[in-house]
Amino acid sequence: EAGVAQSPRYKIIEKRQSVAFWCNPISGHATLYWYQQILGQGPKLLIQFQNNGVVDDSQLPKDRFSAERLKGVDSTLKIQPAKLEDSAVYLCASSSRGFATDTQYFGPGTRLTVL
Amino acid sequence: DQQVKQNSPSLSVQEGRISILNCDYTNSMFDYFLWYKKYPAEGPTFLISISSIKDKNEDGRFTVFLNKSAKHLSLHIVPSQPGDSAVYFCAASAGGTYKYIFGTGTRLKVLA
Repeated sequence: EAGVAQSPRYKIIEKRQSVAFWCNPISGHATLYWYQQILGQGPKLLIQFQNNGVVDDSQLPKDRFSAERLKGVDSTLKIQPAKLEDSAVYLCASSSRGFATDTQYFGPGTRLTVL
Repeated sequence: DQQVKQNSPSLSVQEGRISILNCDYTNSMFDYFLWYKKYPAEGPTFLISISSIKDKNEDGRFTVFLNKSAKHLSLHIVPSQPGDSAVYFCAASAGGTYKYIFGTGTRLKVLA
């Protein structure tokens, strides 16, 4: 079974530029998550999708971050404009149904550096 | 407000010995706990979980203990192997929700 795919793996941008990350979850997984992991911290949930609907985006900085999951499969996360403090690893995860007891499978992440 | 805390940023253990990683939490509503392992340049990988109705769960060399009164859980790895060298995150969720709150991680180094 193929795992969660993410691209690009690394991205370096100047502040105030925009950037987009892509995620393809495990086939058949209804639930998709985007996490932000700042160096020295644990992953923090930004947004959760159930199929193509948003379940929780309470920690997403909506003035600059947006995410979509068209057709309930792959997803993109966008930052516009980027700030220095957005430098982090952005992790995508998926699970079969979204219950706490459903294992969340993580992709390798995209390391973003904002200069 | 750090609801899940891993107070030891790093731990070194000799191969073959026991590794004990600790995690404390403050939210009494947490009822499901997990440990994830992370190698460099990879995403976290699920290791083991425990529900609050249990105080111990075992899977091969890995055992998680939960002490609800102390709001403390620990991961025991016996025997430790060099391939166990990684960053270990504990996470917790409440009320059957999907929302995991992660700790800051403990870097384990198993010395050959």
